[in-house]
Order: sequence, then structure tokens, then C-alpha cells
Amino acid sequence: NAGVTQTPKFRILKIGQSMTLQCTQDMNHNYMYWYRQDPGMGLKLIYYSVGAGITDKGEVPNGYNVSRSTTEDFPLRLELAAPSQTSVYFCASILAGSTEAFFGQGTRLTVV
Amino acid sequence: AQSVTQPDIHITVSEGASLELRCNYSYGATPYLFWYVQSPGQGLQLLLKYFSGDTLVQGIKGFEAEFKRSQSSFNLRKPSVHWSDAAEYFCAVGTSYNNNDMRFGAGTRLTVKP
Repeated sequence: NAGVTQTPKFRILKIGQSMTLQCTQDMNHNYMYWYRQDPGMGLKLIYYSVGAGITDKGEVPNGYNVSRSTTEDFPLRLELAAPSQTSVYFCASILAGSTEAFFGQGTRLTVV
Repeated sequence: AQSVTQPDIHITVSEGASLELRCNYSYGATPYLFWYVQSPGQGLQLLLKYFSGDTLVQGIKGFEAEFKRSQSSFNLRKPSVHWSDAAEYFCAVGTSYNNNDMRFGAGTRLTVKP
């Protein structure tokens, strides 16, 4: 049972490049989330999904897109990378009816 | 909207000493409150949570937290700290069961001296 798996663990992007951060969970959780963690700022919610085919914006969605075609996968897309998107990104999932979020190990992204 | 304040950015305690990490929240109704721990290079792990009932909640790894409505606080405590407790601790507040509107504090980094 792998839990929540994020890839890659580290990535350096140039300004204007695009990339997809992958997130997969094998716990059949309904809810999935993307957060970014900036130093001294805690975690901020980017997007979330309550099930396959359903996504919604969180606190800081600008510059990002998501999709949820399956229960397991919830990729986060950066279309035109900007230095302000330098951060650590965490994916999390929760089983419906529960409140304990399970987090991936994070992706450290640097935009230069 | 709800919010969380963790007043202490960094705390250092000696191994074996007691620990209290502060958390203050802002929300008009009864909140859902959480403490998460993040070890270096890892994701967050739930330590404990409070929704209702007994205001003193027990969590994993010997941690407990007390909800005080009058003070809008949810402080985390441990009677005797171990070196392995060195990590970053996040308090979070939600208003619903599905956590879609959960807000995290900025975190408190705990250093444990031998």
C-alpha cells in the first residue's frame, strides 16, 4: 500500500516552461487536494477534487490547472512557470466520511 | 473566513523536557481543529484532531491538545520530548467535515537539544 505518491521529487524549470506534477493514491480516496508550502506561510490550497470529473478552486489557483479523470490520479499543471511558483507542492487525499488527510512527500519546484 | 495563528516560529527544548506549542484560531462557530507534524523531507502526518466533545484530545506519539473556546486556542502538549520529535508542527482549522476549506498556520519548528 503506497499511499499518496508524488513525482517528481525535485524539478527546476525556466520561466515560461510548463510541467505537470503527478499525484497518485491507491487508497480509493474520494477527495484529493493540492497545496503549496512557502517558507513561513504554512500550506495554501490550490485546487481540490471531491471525485472523478469534479474539481474546484482553492485559495491560490491562479497559474495552475488540474484534472481528475480517475479516482487515483490528480495531476497539477503549470502552463507558464513564473518565479512566484517556486515552492514545495503537496498532494493529499481523504476518504469520504473521514477527516484525516494523507499527504505525499512533496515536490520541490524552483523556477529560474 | 477562518484563520490560524501559530505565534512561535521556532522553539528549542531539551530532551525530556515538557513541550507546549501554541495555536490560536479565528472562527465564529465551533471549528474542526487539527495538528499535523512534518518531519524533514516528508509530507504531513495527522497527530490529533478535535470536532466536539471532550476538550482534551489524545493523539499519536504521546501528544495531546486542549481546546479552549474562551481563548480560541488549541495548544499542543507533550510531557517529555524525545529527540525524534524534532520536526515542524502545523495547526489547522476547518469549518466542515471534508476539509475543503481547511486553513493552516505558518508552522512551528521544534528543535530538541540533547
